Amino acid sequence: NAGVTQTPKFQVLKTGQSMTLQCAQDMNHEYMSWYRQDPGMGLRLIHYSVGAGITDQGEVPNGYNVSRSTTEDFPLRLLSAAPSQTSVYFCASSYSKGDRGRNYGYTFGSGTRLTVV
Amino acid sequence: GESVGLHLPTLSVQEGDNSIINCAYSNSASDYFIWYKQESGKGPQFIIDIRSNMDKRQGQRVTVLLNKTVKHLSLQIAATQPGDSAVYFCAENMGDSWGKLQFGAGTQVVVTP
Repeated sequence: NAGVTQTPKFQVLKTGQSMTLQCAQDMNHEYMSWYRQDPGMGLRLIHYSVGAGITDQGEVPNGYNVSRSTTEDFPLRLLSAAPSQTSVYFCASSYSKGDRGRNYGYTFGSGTRLTVV
Repeated sequence: GESVGLHLPTLSVQEGDNSIINCAYSNSASDYFIWYKQESGKGPQFIIDIRSNMDKRQGQRVTVLLNKTVKHLSLQIAATQPGDSAVYFCAENMGDSWGKLQFGAGTQVVVTP
């Protein structure tokens, strides 16, 4: 199992550019989510998905779009990058709350470090 | 413990001693709690979890205690080792929807020889 795979690991963007951060999981998890982590702080939820075709906003959704066309993939799009979006981005996935006998803990990817100049 | 802004609280522990990391959570409707360990440059790593219908759960060298009355969570690490040096986060699953985790700001644990 590869777990949760995020690409790229590092990215530098100019203000106004757009890009897509990729996230893929091979654990057949229903739930996927995106977080950002700023220096010295905890993670903040950007968007999340409870299954293919279903997404919802988290705490800090502005400037980001998501889609979930398959169970495996949950890309995060930056529409017009701003310096305030400089951060480390983490993708996470988990089983459904109702699944019995499974590990409910969320599995995180290793992160994408994004710098917007 | 919790903090606001850029200055993480730091817990300095001597190797071999027990560590206790505290966390106050915000939502009385939260029904699931997780402790994560994050080493520099890596993603959060699951340590242990607990549901709101429990008040204690034990793992390998770790114990999580949940006090719903005062909305307090703690992580105890027995016989702390140098490899335990990291930032520790508590997270609560907000009760209205599975898939939404709210994280505390984290506690830096430094293990000294």
